[in-house]
Amino acid sequence: QSALTQPRSVSGSPGRSVTISCTGRSSDVGAYNYVSWYQQHPGRAPKFVIFDVSKRPSGVPDRFSGSKSGNTASLTISGLQGEDEADYYCCSYAGSQTYVFGTGTKVSVL
Amino acid sequence: QVQLQESGPGLVKPSQTLSLTCTVSGGSISRGYYYWNWIRQPAGKGLEWIGRIYTSGTTNYNPSLKSRVTVSIDTSKNQFSLRLSSVTAADTAVYYCARDIFVDYTHYYGMDVWGQGTTVIVSS
Repeated sequence: QSALTQPRSVSGSPGRSVTISCTGRSSDVGAYNYVSWYQQHPGRAPKFVIFDVSKRPSGVPDRFSGSKSGNTASLTISGLQGEDEADYYCCSYAGSQTYVFGTGTKVSVL
Repeated sequence: QVQLQESGPGLVKPSQTLSLTCTVSGGSISRGYYYWNWIRQPAGKGLEWIGRIYTSGTTNYNPSLKSRVTVSIDTSKNQFSLRLSSVTAADTAVYYCARDIFVDYTHYYGMDVWGQGTTVIVSS
């Protein structure tokens, strides 16, 4: 069960958009629409911002959106704000009631 | 509002067994369609899913850790626990407990409620 692949870092100016990719396999990301995304600020527990590929939990700004194509899922943050600077992790259901996380991406707001 | 709190020794000797407990407050651990997870994160590294347990006691584990992991549940104490045997320095990490997503009385894959995490160091 190998970790999903994410870019190590992405950056953008305030108000712009950034997209984080999450590449898996036909046995996890490609097989199920059960990708979730987590935001983690330094020293804090992760917070879920997207589930089921594109669903947004109550209280999460609509600046956060998710999508999937084949074995790659993506998280887009539009209208980037300083508070969005954090680490982001994807997670996919991997069959047999197991999960696999992504390698993590650091988002920097320039 | 359900809250989770991890507890256990912060220091474990190599080859020994790491034991952690997650206490659930603000709701019953056995109410509804709940799955309870353990996840860890070595310092400066990514998240790794360890395993989960359903309220009935059914468990699922990360294949890479399966031979060393046991997750159990004690509904009378509203707690679930992690045991990881034969630990090495590579098991040094922040350990989180978390609940599978449960929104509008429906289960979804992923984690919605997380504990604050507890640091475990494996060292002699």
